[in-house]
Amino acid sequence: QQQVKQSPQSLIVQKGGISIINCAYENTAFDYFPWYQQFPGKGPALLIAIRPDVSEKKEGRFTISFNKSAKQFSLHIMDSQPGDSATYFCAAGAGGYNKLIFGAGTRLAVHP
Amino acid sequence: DAGITQSPRHKVTETGTPVTLRCHQTENHRYMYWYRQDPGHGLRLIHYSYGVKDTDKGEVSDGYSVSRSKTEDFLLTLESATSSQTSVYFCAISEPGTSGNEQFFGPGTRLTVL
Repeated sequence: QQQVKQSPQSLIVQKGGISIINCAYENTAFDYFPWYQQFPGKGPALLIAIRPDVSEKKEGRFTISFNKSAKQFSLHIMDSQPGDSATYFCAAGAGGYNKLIFGAGTRLAVHP
Repeated sequence: DAGITQSPRHKVTETGTPVTLRCHQTENHRYMYWYRQDPGHGLRLIHYSYGVKDTDKGEVSDGYSVSRSKTEDFLLTLESATSSQTSVYFCAISEPGTSGNEQFFGPGTRLTVL
């Protein structure tokens, strides 16, 4: 099955708080799990990505946690800032041609 | 936007008319993709190309065709536009073996079919 399920649909966090977005997948052939960030009127841009040989990857305030046995991965944004307000998409890919299956997206609003 | 341009950026058309969207890249990436973005659905792959004249269908290809006669250009055609094809269309590029599987996205084309 090719679906990637993302939750929540929307999220409101206070400045300085932690934002957590979750994704789940079924296809065990997936071997690449990126998160994309999209601002209004712009195309998505890669934020951070992980492969299933590690359980966690951190880049600055952004961390991906990966649970291979549960087929779940999540994005944590530490010390959330108003500038992080955007839509976030998880995705999963496998094999040739770098094709990706995207989740439905999470609209994050960080309030001052 | 990683050397990717899309044209037009906005288009309003009527049901039944043909529409062609263009994606142009200056990165010499081998793979190119067309997605549509709709609320509640994320991005869904329409068609992709893995080389000049080499294309294949994605998950929502019905009603769309593509062509790639040059490395830098990937065209998406709606043969007879329908209201259900009102959407924001994104082109993306990727190069195998570099930067992992990263796809770089263009700025998008907002298409409205009346």
